[in-house]
Amino acid sequence: QVQLVESGGGVIEPGRSLRLSCAASGFTFSRHGMHWVRQAPGKGLEWVAVIWYDGSNIEYRDSVKGRFTISRDNSKNTVYLQMNSLRAEDTATYFCARDPGGTWNLWDYWGQGTLVTVSS
Amino acid sequence: QSALTQPASVSGSPGQSITISCTGTSSDVGYYKFVSWYQQYPGKAPKLMIYDVTKRPSGVSDRFSGSKSGNTASLTISGLQTEDEADYYCSSYTDATTTRYVFGTGTKVTVL
Repeated sequence: QVQLVESGGGVIEPGRSLRLSCAASGFTFSRHGMHWVRQAPGKGLEWVAVIWYDGSNIEYRDSVKGRFTISRDNSKNTVYLQMNSLRAEDTATYFCARDPGGTWNLWDYWGQGTLVTVSS
Repeated sequence: QSALTQPASVSGSPGQSITISCTGTSSDVGYYKFVSWYQQYPGKAPKLMIYDVTKRPSGVSDRFSGSKSGNTASLTISGLQTEDEADYYCSSYTDATTTRYVFGTGTKVTVL
């Protein structure tokens, strides 16, 4: 069965860096786009970034552009989110989610999330 | 790009039908057919309930249905059950310059 397992979250000081990982299994990873979606404590969902199945297209929301980098290693079935210059407003649970393809704006499988807390 | 607007809460009794609205603009909900809905229990990951405005993924109960009119999309839950009590989020593709996808503000559904 499809599984997405995030890791790498934790408590980090403002301005520092953190790298999240999302290990995928149960499907052909190299055929699917992957997204990161975050949720601040007690708040709603917010789309963060996407990387196409082959890495040929990458997009970010404006508030993380220039600070976050999404990447993938299809040989390791893993997608990453490198987060630099972290701010308090980046505090959230970060979910990775699979794009099933064939249409836009849907995520059919999600990981359990990893919590990132940016605080001094 | 602001979040899509949803009512903060909707409630209903078991067996009743409820509808959650999701209001956007002509740059997102009003223009694209790419509207999806997610159910989320506290502390859990979201679950896809509806995509492409009206389509239901395999395994999702047919008590859930979606529609759209103008800039407003809607999720209807028929025959409300206690397990439907959760948070619900809509989402849309957008041509905004600040983000590619936008979520709604979220609606807490309470089964009385």
